[in-house]
Amino acid sequence: GIQVEQSPPDLILQEGANSTLRCNFSDSVNNLQWFHQNPWGQLINLFYIPSGTKQNGRLSATTVATERYSLLYISSSQTTDSGVYFCAVENYNQGGKLIFGQGTELSVKP
Amino acid sequence: DTEVTQTPKHLVMGMTNKKSLKCEQHMGHRAMYWYKQKAKKPPELMFVYSYEKLSINESVPSRFSPECPNSSLLNLHLHALQPEDSALYLCASSQDPWGQGWTTRSPLHFGNGTRLTVT
Repeated sequence: GIQVEQSPPDLILQEGANSTLRCNFSDSVNNLQWFHQNPWGQLINLFYIPSGTKQNGRLSATTVATERYSLLYISSSQTTDSGVYFCAVENYNQGGKLIFGQGTELSVKP
Repeated sequence: DTEVTQTPKHLVMGMTNKKSLKCEQHMGHRAMYWYKQKAKKPPELMFVYSYEKLSINESVPSRFSPECPNSSLLNLHLHALQPEDSALYLCASSQDPWGQGWTTRSPLHFGNGTRLTVT
């Protein structure tokens, strides 16, 4: 099945800094989603982005499907950005299930 | 606020108890899911319902019994659980039904979860 690798596993930032999170996947995908899980366990869908670029406020994401990676950009980070960021991918020909990466744990310090 | 509502938020149960987790969504989504998440790990898929029918069971032990009474509700009945079943249980929904060539093409929306402790 598809392997999903996220980097870095952990990241500590000072408030106001920018960061880039990476998601590599081992096979072609039809579906890629980024999620943020806050320290209380809430899991929020940030982007549905199987290809191309999307922006939502201070967050943006780019998926280059042909090169099998996706990037999540966080600009002007805030303490509320802390938590775990998961990338999840799916290949319709491989059972059609979302496969989650191990996540990047982000801590933004004031 | 999340559009997928889960109750209760916290649950403590003994190994001989029977309890149920509840999930509700009013977005008209046709697929609903149960995930289990242990600390510091990604969510693991347990069950998928499509059009109120069980489409996927990821070889989950029978002490977990899902039920979909209607298109908006999803339950997870718990019986004779083990301490290692303690985890965050997440419900999710998506627009597209499962099976017949459909997959989770639309965004997956999660509830806030039920934090379960088995003593």
